[in-house]
Amino acid sequence: GAGVSQTPSNKVTEKGKYVELRCDPISGHTALYWYRQSLGQGPEFLIYFQGTGAADDSGLPNDRFFAVRPEGSVSTLKIQRTERGDSAVYLCASSRGDITGELFFGEGSRLTVL
Amino acid sequence: AQKVTQAQTEISVVEKEDVTLDCVYETRDTTYYLFWYKQPPSGELVFLIRRNSFDEQNEISGRYSWNFQKSTSSFNFTITASQVVDSAVYFCACLQGAQKLVFGQGTRLTINP
Repeated sequence: GAGVSQTPSNKVTEKGKYVELRCDPISGHTALYWYRQSLGQGPEFLIYFQGTGAADDSGLPNDRFFAVRPEGSVSTLKIQRTERGDSAVYLCASSRGDITGELFFGEGSRLTVL
Repeated sequence: AQKVTQAQTEISVVEKEDVTLDCVYETRDTTYYLFWYKQPPSGELVFLIRRNSFDEQNEISGRYSWNFQKSTSSFNFTITASQVVDSAVYFCACLQGAQKLVFGQGTRLTINP
């Protein structure tokens, strides 16, 4: 389809492992966002890309989290040395890059750290 | 920093009833944007509306209406003649800075047939 695509939809891993979550935004959208949603909570901002560069990464909780968008399209969120507290749904969104804030979200990647 | 409070954690009504979801926001900005998003069981958030602080006119879109009141820092959302398909989690949000949305905790709305 033409929407935001996220893979995998579900990921179960063990504490201490490395995880990569992928986001394929809507074609032509220059802005890309990662949010994290814990059970029963609203999404929390992690990082925002404008093109290839991270314009705002103030929401990344610590240096175990890193995200890239090397060609200005697909983005990968990388989590090192996963902890049980990292378990959440990781949502990706894209937009045309203006300030309307109308984000188009994917269905998320549910990460479970055992 | 912005803060958004949705005091109603869960609401359950019978189909065709009207229902109002409350949203209270805090911001020090004089210019700001407020949003409502819907999250159906599939998980993706769907944009419903954006309102800027200069425009206090209420808005109606079909069965949906929004009441923005700066005096009480509220941006409430009403669904008229609710339907089962309206069942979802609804989030109110405020724009912080240029591109960061600050979401409330959400209200889970269940419409029973």
